Amino acid sequence: NAGVTQTPKFRILKIGQSMTLQCTQDMNHNYMYWYRQDPGMGLKLIYYSVGAGITDKGEVPNGYNVSRSTTEDFPLRLELAAPSQTSVYFCASNEGQGIEKLFFGSGTQLSVL
Amino acid sequence: GQNIDQPTEMTATEGAIVQINCTYQTSGFNGLFWYQQHAGEAPTFLSYNVLDGLEEKGRFSSFLSRSKGYSYLLLKELQMKDSASYLCAVTSGGSYIPTFGRGTSLIVHP
Repeated sequence: NAGVTQTPKFRILKIGQSMTLQCTQDMNHNYMYWYRQDPGMGLKLIYYSVGAGITDKGEVPNGYNVSRSTTEDFPLRLELAAPSQTSVYFCASNEGQGIEKLFFGSGTQLSVL
Repeated sequence: GQNIDQPTEMTATEGAIVQINCTYQTSGFNGLFWYQQHAGEAPTFLSYNVLDGLEEKGRFSSFLSRSKGYSYLLLKELQMKDSASYLCAVTSGGSYIPTFGRGTSLIVHP
């Protein structure tokens, strides 16, 4: 059972470059989330989706975009990478039926230099 | 918004008991979660509380007081592998979207 799969695991970008972080889940979960984690800062919500075709901003959405064309996939796009986006990114999902735990992907370590 | 507070770091001795506190301020509280995160890895679910009281799961227990906006995670018979960060997360309102605290780094020494 794959669960939540994120790619790539590591990436180094130059300032101004763009990239897409991929996230896919095989649990037929409705809700999907993108968090970023900076050292000592916990997890901050970037964007989330409650189902295919529906996305919404979290606490720190600036500089990012998302789409949810299918239930399985929830890619995160960085258009013009900035050093402030150096972080560890986690994708997560759950069914969204109420109070439920999150299932996390293994994370993407991104450095913008 | 939500405000979630946890100590930054704690140390404890192998075999001992440690209590990690979490306080929160929110409206429309639904539930509180505890996650464990080892260095370089993703968070993994430990426990959750919806109602007041203690939830026990083997060596780990979690307590909630909704009136005080307070929870704690109790780890018994500490092992070296319990050295990790422990994240408190709260869901509130109709969306059930979790908000995380900064996490508590627990160091277990021999």
